[in-house]
Amino acid sequence: DGGITQSPKYLFRKEGQNVTLSCEQNLNHDAMYWYRQDPGQGLRLIYYSQIVNDFQKGDIAEGYSVSREKKESFPLTVTSAQKNPTAFYLCASRDTGRGGHEQYFGPGTRLTVT
Amino acid sequence: AQSVAQPEDQVNVAEGNPLTVKCTYSVSGNPYLFWYVQYPNRGLQFLLKYITGDNLVKGSYGFEAEFNKSQTSFHLKKPSALVSDSALYFCAVRAVYNFNKFYFGSGTKLNVKP
Repeated sequence: DGGITQSPKYLFRKEGQNVTLSCEQNLNHDAMYWYRQDPGQGLRLIYYSQIVNDFQKGDIAEGYSVSREKKESFPLTVTSAQKNPTAFYLCASRDTGRGGHEQYFGPGTRLTVT
Repeated sequence: AQSVAQPEDQVNVAEGNPLTVKCTYSVSGNPYLFWYVQYPNRGLQFLLKYITGDNLVKGSYGFEAEFNKSQTSFHLKKPSALVSDSALYFCAVRAVYNFNKFYFGSGTKLNVKP
């Protein structure tokens, strides 16, 4: 059963703590993405990676970091420098090899920081 | 600059009636346009895309969208709405200069009443 998994579904942290969100895909897609979703604002791109060991900042990268050591994994760390980290985080992937255009999304992680 | 606008926060329609969810875009060059659907606390699911060719694009679950270059619009339509179509719908456009950047609208909540 192919797809994208994100864990955990819900995450609670105290202010000042770093937290890492997991994203794994078994679709053999090259490109992976992290988005942040806030009510009424649509999705905003945090980071993306087109190939292993390479990633680029999106529109709201400040306070976040990523790594891409394996093709199937693209974890996101929300650092204490992120001013407003409470949000719904979505991971996505895209098949660039076959000229794929659409993205496939994971189920999301809802992060609450208090 | 690339962007999409979804002018309606919410659309209400009775079951069995046709539905339209509006999207307008701004992009320099040929647009790559997408529609996604999101159910509560879930990731986005791809519905359909316009890359080139026929202006009427057919997608999943009986949805279709009409690309109108002169009006820079890409409205989502369905001839007969179902209660199960109630969800949040997002329009997106891919950046012309960066195939890994997608710009999402703020979303339209579709309510289908029995």
